[in-house]
Amino acid sequence: EAQVTQNPRYLITVTGKKLTVTCSQNMNHEYMSWYRQDPGLGLRQIYYSMNVEVTDKGDVPEGYKVSRKEKRNFPLILESPSPNQTSLYFCASSLAGVQPQHFGDGTRLSIL
Amino acid sequence: DQQVKQNSPSLSVQEGRISILNCDYTNSMFDYFLWYKKYPAEGPTFLISISSIKDKNEDGRFTVFLNKSAKHLSLHIVPSQPGDSAVYFCAASAPRAGSYQLTFGKGTKLSVIP
Repeated sequence: EAQVTQNPRYLITVTGKKLTVTCSQNMNHEYMSWYRQDPGLGLRQIYYSMNVEVTDKGDVPEGYKVSRKEKRNFPLILESPSPNQTSLYFCASSLAGVQPQHFGDGTRLSIL
Repeated sequence: DQQVKQNSPSLSVQEGRISILNCDYTNSMFDYFLWYKKYPAEGPTFLISISSIKDKNEDGRFTVFLNKSAKHLSLHIVPSQPGDSAVYFCAASAPRAGSYQLTFGKGTKLSVIP
């Protein structure tokens, strides 16, 4: 089954404690991206990756890092999480950037 | 600066009637538009798209209309069904640095009343 898998689905943590949200897709997609969804703000892109070792900033990259060492994986790293990064995060992938994206089911992060 | 606007946060429609969801955009570089549907506790799922070279695209009960001069697109669902109750996001794609960037609206929550 074609899918985008995010882990964990839920996480409560404290300010400053580094965390990684993993994202993996099994569709051999080249393009992957991370979004955050906040009430009243919709979905905003954090980072995207066109292919292995190629990443670029989206609209709200501050406080986040990503890496794309393998085609299937695109982890989101919060080196020093802060409360304003409490949000619902979605990973997505597509065959190419312009193609419709397949989304994971989301990761709800709470930073205390 | 919000480049993709969905001005109606919510919409209620009777089952069997037409649902019309609207979206406006400001960036003339957008050349591809998509609608996504999102149920609670799930990720968005792709619904329908339209290229800027077209003004209409149809897929079953779903039709998207694009008016480039007005920078406006709309999603028509007919007939509406209770299972269509969800949040609908309009998204627009523009070329950027050799790739594409997708910009989403804030979403419209559709409630279809049986």
